[in-house]
Amino acid sequence: AQTVTQSQPEMSVQEAETVTLSCTYDTSESDYYLFWYKQPPSRQMILVIRQEAYKQQNATENRFSVNFQKAAKSFSLKISDSQLGDAAMYFCAYNNDMRFGAGTRLTVKP
Amino acid sequence: EADIYQTPRYLVIGTGKKITLECSQTMGHDKMYWYQQDPGMELHLIHYSYGVNSTEKGDLSSESTVSRIRTEHFPLTLESARPSHTSQYLCASRNRGPGYTFGSGTRLTVV
Repeated sequence: AQTVTQSQPEMSVQEAETVTLSCTYDTSESDYYLFWYKQPPSRQMILVIRQEAYKQQNATENRFSVNFQKAAKSFSLKISDSQLGDAAMYFCAYNNDMRFGAGTRLTVKP
Repeated sequence: EADIYQTPRYLVIGTGKKITLECSQTMGHDKMYWYQQDPGMELHLIHYSYGVNSTEKGDLSSESTVSRIRTEHFPLTLESARPSHTSQYLCASRNRGPGYTFGSGTRLTVV
């Protein structure tokens, strides 16, 4: 079974700084998708970024980018120029029938 | 703007009551999912459906039941609510492509 591990229950970053959230996963498949979702307090879960495993190029969405290391089964999220609105729970997820990690709570300090 | 709707947004109900949490999507998605999530904690899949008249239990055992009579509608029912059912319930859907669209969730409190 596929598993997703987020080893950082909580992270903190200063406004305008950069933070990296870690995610590792376990799979025997060669083709799959990986996702980062953001869940602000009491608000809806939204997709931040996704990566297709067969693409070597790391996905980027504005201030959000990933470091996808397929051989190491690692999928970290980098948030640049952090903003107060980035404060949320972040969930890493594997593939279409989602397996979610336990989440990382990100705090942004002004 | 989300095209998947959950009602009610918040619900406080007494022990033993029967409740139905509604989830509807207007995107024509085949696949729909229910997750249970305690505040600030991980998501646990409790039910999913790949189409009309198709329902399956997820990874987390749940006393709830679901039905899928119409593509757009995937309600979750608790026949007799208990305090242990207090949680947030998230509905999600997707089409053939990857990635979910999530509803806003229903926060259930059983007193």
